[in-house]
Amino acid sequence: AQSVTQLGSHVSVSEGALVLLRCNYSSSVPPYLFWYVQYPNQGLQLLLKYTTGATLVKGINGFEAEFKKSETSFHLTKPSAHMSDAAEYFCAVTTYNNNDMRFGAGTRLTVKP
Amino acid sequence: SQTIHQWPATLVQPVGSPLSLECTVEGTSNPNLYWYRQAAGRGLQLLFYSVGIGQISSEVPQNLSASRPQDRQFILSSKKLLLSDSGFYLCAWSVVGVTGELFFGEGSRLTVL
Repeated sequence: AQSVTQLGSHVSVSEGALVLLRCNYSSSVPPYLFWYVQYPNQGLQLLLKYTTGATLVKGINGFEAEFKKSETSFHLTKPSAHMSDAAEYFCAVTTYNNNDMRFGAGTRLTVKP
Repeated sequence: SQTIHQWPATLVQPVGSPLSLECTVEGTSNPNLYWYRQAAGRGLQLLFYSVGIGQISSEVPQNLSASRPQDRQFILSSKKLLLSDSGFYLCAWSVVGVTGELFFGEGSRLTVL
């Protein structure tokens, strides 16, 4: 079965600094990869996804992620952090026509003024 | 457009009491439906998923159960709650056979005392 590992349960950056949240996946077949964001006491909102095609995908709120098959990675980046980016971020993996999406443990992003 | 409603948003229940959480999706037909649990500081755990009315797959043995009495209604139940059932419960839906992207409800926070 597929799985993801998020490196770092907590990441703290200063406002305006680069945001880098790490995700590595494991899958025996081509993966579909996702990043979700969760604000306190709310559901998860999709930031971006990779299914096929271009390996650099852009999402909402200025986030992007690059699928690197050779490194089995799908790291999330944003050039300049805003205070409003403070939230918990989840990486997730599934495969084609699969009902089972697996989530990482999450990374809590703190943005310092 | 599609929407997902989940209720109640918050509840506090004594140990041994019953539970019923409801989830309804609007604007789509024959969705896949999911119940996830998110414990404090942990990732998302898939509890149940359903590909059709009356069809329920359980991922984790526990004292919870799920039912799908209508195409767009998904119910999570328990006859007797345990302390360990406390957590944030998320309902989600996806389109059958596509990229597997999940759309989440706003969540229900359950505290068992």
